[in-house]
Amino acid sequence: NAGVTQTPKFQVLKTGQSMTLQCAQDMNHEYMSWYRQDPGMGLRLIHYSVGAGITDQGEVPNGYNVSRSTTEDFPLRLLSAAPSQTSVYFCASSPTGTQPYEQYFGPGTRLTVT
Amino acid sequence: RKEVEQDPGPFNVPEGATVAFNCTYSNSASQSFFWYRQDCRKEPKLLMSVYSSGNEDGRFTAQLNRASQYISLLIRDSKLSDSATYLCVVNPMGGGGFKTIFGAGTRLFVKA
Repeated sequence: NAGVTQTPKFQVLKTGQSMTLQCAQDMNHEYMSWYRQDPGMGLRLIHYSVGAGITDQGEVPNGYNVSRSTTEDFPLRLLSAAPSQTSVYFCASSPTGTQPYEQYFGPGTRLTVT
Repeated sequence: RKEVEQDPGPFNVPEGATVAFNCTYSNSASQSFFWYRQDCRKEPKLLMSVYSSGNEDGRFTAQLNRASQYISLLIRDSKLSDSATYLCVVNPMGGGGFKTIFGAGTRLFVKA
C-alpha cells in the first residue's frame, strides 16, 4: 500500500516557468489537499478537494491551480513561478465523514525558484 | 493574532524528563483538534487526536480546554526518539469545514 505519493522530490525552476506537482493516493480517500511549509510559518493550505470534480481555495491559493478529475490524483500547477513560491509542498489525503479524520501526508516536494 | 499559536521553543530536555506544550486557538467554534509530529525534513504524521475529556496514549497525554481555548500535550519519560517538531492542528468545522489550520510547531530536543 503506497499511501500518498508525490513527484518530484526536488525541483528547481526559473522565475516565470510553469510546472505541475503530482500527488496520488491509493486509499480511496475523498478529501485531498495541498499545503506549503515555510520556516516559522507552519503548513498553510493552498487548495483542497472534497471529491472528484470539486475543488476549493485554501488560505494561500494565488499563483496555483488544481483540478481533481479522479479520486486518486490531485495535481498542483504553478502557473508562472516566482521566488516567493520557494517552499516545501505537501499533499495530504483523508477519509471523510461527519468530521475530518487523520490526514495522511506525502513525502513532500522541495521547490526552489531562482 | 494567529488562528493557532504555539511556543516555537526549542525545548531542550534530558532523557526521562516530563515536558509540556501548549497551543492556543482563536476560533471558539473549532471542533476538531490534533497533535502531529514532524521529524526533520519529513512529512507530518498524526500523533494523537484531542478529545474534550482528555486522552492518553502511553507516555503522551493530550488535554483540551474549550473555555480558555487551548490544547496541551504532555510527554512523560522523554526518549531521544521524541526529538521532533510537534504541530498543533485545529479544524474550525464551520463554513470552511475542511480548512485545517496548523500551528507553526514546537521543536523538542531530548538529550542523553
